[in-house]
This record gives sequence, structure tokens and C-alpha cells, in this order.
Amino acid sequence: GAGVSQSPSNKVTEKGKDVELRCDPISGHTALYWYRQSLGQGLEFLIYFQGNSAPDKSGLPSDRFSAERTGGSVSTLTIQRTQQEDSAVYLCASSFARGTYEQYFGPGTRLTVT
Amino acid sequence: DQQVKQNSPSLSVQEGRISILNCDYTNSMFDYFLWYKKYPAEGPTFLISISSIKDKNEDGRFTVFLNKSAKHLSLHIVPSQPGDSAVYFCAAKDNQGGKLIFGQGTELSVKP
Repeated sequence: GAGVSQSPSNKVTEKGKDVELRCDPISGHTALYWYRQSLGQGLEFLIYFQGNSAPDKSGLPSDRFSAERTGGSVSTLTIQRTQQEDSAVYLCASSFARGTYEQYFGPGTRLTVT
Repeated sequence: DQQVKQNSPSLSVQEGRISILNCDYTNSMFDYFLWYKKYPAEGPTFLISISSIKDKNEDGRFTVFLNKSAKHLSLHIVPSQPGDSAVYFCAAKDNQGGKLIFGQGTELSVKP
């Protein structure tokens, strides 16, 4: 079965431009998470979607960051007016809602803001 | 405020010996702990987990120990193999939702 997929795998953008990162979770997983890993750092939680509930946005670093999850499946993370400090690997994960808390990660999108 | 800490950025072990990776946490509301393994240019992959109601969980060569009073957990790999060389992250979940709080990672190098 297919795992979590993310696109693009790499993105280079100029400071001030907007970017969209896409995540396709594992079919049947109702929970979807976005994290980022900056150079030399651990994984930083950004946002969490669970079914039809309001998303947990507590990890978004600024109002330039937003995310949507359409139809309970695909998610898009949007960063407006990118800054150099946004450069990181953005990781998406999905999981079942109950029972196990194992999250399955995609390969990530490496974002470089020049 | 780092709620999950891995104080050793790197660890080098000889093949066949035991690898012990450590993790400390501060939030007593964490109720589930997980270890992930990450190779370069790949997403983290789940390794092993433990509920806060247990103190040990074993899966093959991997054992996780939880000491709640010390707010400390450790991952033991025995015997270590060169293919175990990767970055290991510990993560914790609180009882309020599904998000995970990750440590900074420990890079394990297993030398033949």
C-alpha cells in the first residue's frame, strides 16, 4: 500500500514569494500532522487535523503560515511572504485516530528560501 | 521551553555491543512515548512505543524503558548493527490530543 506522499520534494523560492506544499496521507487515516525540521533541530509541530474537528494550529509560527485539509484527505501547507528562516524540511504525517498513536511520515519537502 | 530533551547529539558504538539512547521530559501530562528512526533524506519511521502505564516494552533487538518518577526513557538496541546507524528521535504525546513533541535527536553510528 502507498505511504504518505509529499510534493514537491524540493522547493527553492525567493524571499517574499508564497509557496504551497502538498501532502497525501495514507488512505483511511483520519489524522494528519505537519511538522518541520530546521537544520540541526528536532521536529517542530506545526498543525494537526483530526476528522471534522477544528484543527490544532498551536504550532504555527506566524500568521504567514496556514494549512487546509480538503475532503478529509489531501492537505496543503501555505507559507506567504517567505522568509529565510522558513528554510527547513517540512514533514507531513498521518495516523488512525484511535488505538495506536503511531504516526507515519512522508519523505518531506525541503524548502530553501534565498 | 524544551519539553523533550535528548542531551546527546551523537553516539558511537561497536557492532554487536549495546546502544543506549536517552531521553528526558518535563511534562507529567505525557501519556505515550515513541521512538523514531530517521535516515538522511527520508521521513522518520516508527520504531517502538510505550504507554505511560508501563515501564518496559520489547520488540526484537529494541527495548524501551520508562522511568516515570525520573521522567526519563531510554532505548536499548542489542546487538547493534551497522544498519542501525541513523538519527533517533524520541517523542511524547500528551493526553490532550494527538500531536507529538520531539526531542532534538541523537545520531547513532554503529561501527563494524
